[in-house]
Amino acid sequence: GEDVEQSLFLSVREGDSSVINCTYTDSSSTYLYWYKQEPGAGLQLLTYIFSNMDMKQDQRLTVLLNKKDKHLSLRIADTQTGDSAIYFCAESPDNYGQNFVFGPGTRLSVLP
Amino acid sequence: NAGVMQNPRHLVRRRGQEARLRCSPMKGHSHVYWYRQLPEEGLKFMVYLQKENIIDESGMPKERFSAEFPKEGPSILRIQQVVRGDSAAYFCASSPTQYGDTQYFGPGTRLTVL
Repeated sequence: GEDVEQSLFLSVREGDSSVINCTYTDSSSTYLYWYKQEPGAGLQLLTYIFSNMDMKQDQRLTVLLNKKDKHLSLRIADTQTGDSAIYFCAESPDNYGQNFVFGPGTRLSVLP
Repeated sequence: NAGVMQNPRHLVRRRGQEARLRCSPMKGHSHVYWYRQLPEEGLKFMVYLQKENIIDESGMPKERFSAEFPKEGPSILRIQQVVRGDSAAYFCASSPTQYGDTQYFGPGTRLTVL
């Protein structure tokens, strides 16, 4: 079956870069997503990447995809305390929401 | 434009009671998804609804769980005769289309079954 794995915790110092990693098992995954969940709030779509891309950059966010290894990463440059949240990786064979498979989430703590 | 609203935010029920979770989608959104997150696990899809129709309920347990999205009013996820294993966070997402990149999530309802 499909499975998405992430490490559960990550701590970084303010100003450093954060790299959150995700691995998935479904080779038919076409869309890969990163969501952010702040305390008490819903999930917010940060970015997504098509499987025919290797990299996508959006301001401080860089997504890298290694399709051969089924490995996805999210790099946050110049991490700020406001970036403290839980980050969820999700994959889908198509762009229909009911086919998402989410990882367990990585809790990012940014230390001053 | 208010975001997706869910209520209650926290719900405590005793075993055997019923739980009703409400989701008000964003204005203009006619597609609603429900997900469940068990402790230390990722979100799992439960059901996808459009106004007055269940489109895909492949992720919903066959018994005790039901969902609706009436023409007027919020979407309701109903769990009858709750058991301890139903304790989880239940998230609703709404979308103006059926496409995943346009989903907006609510804050979730945390259900605790005593």
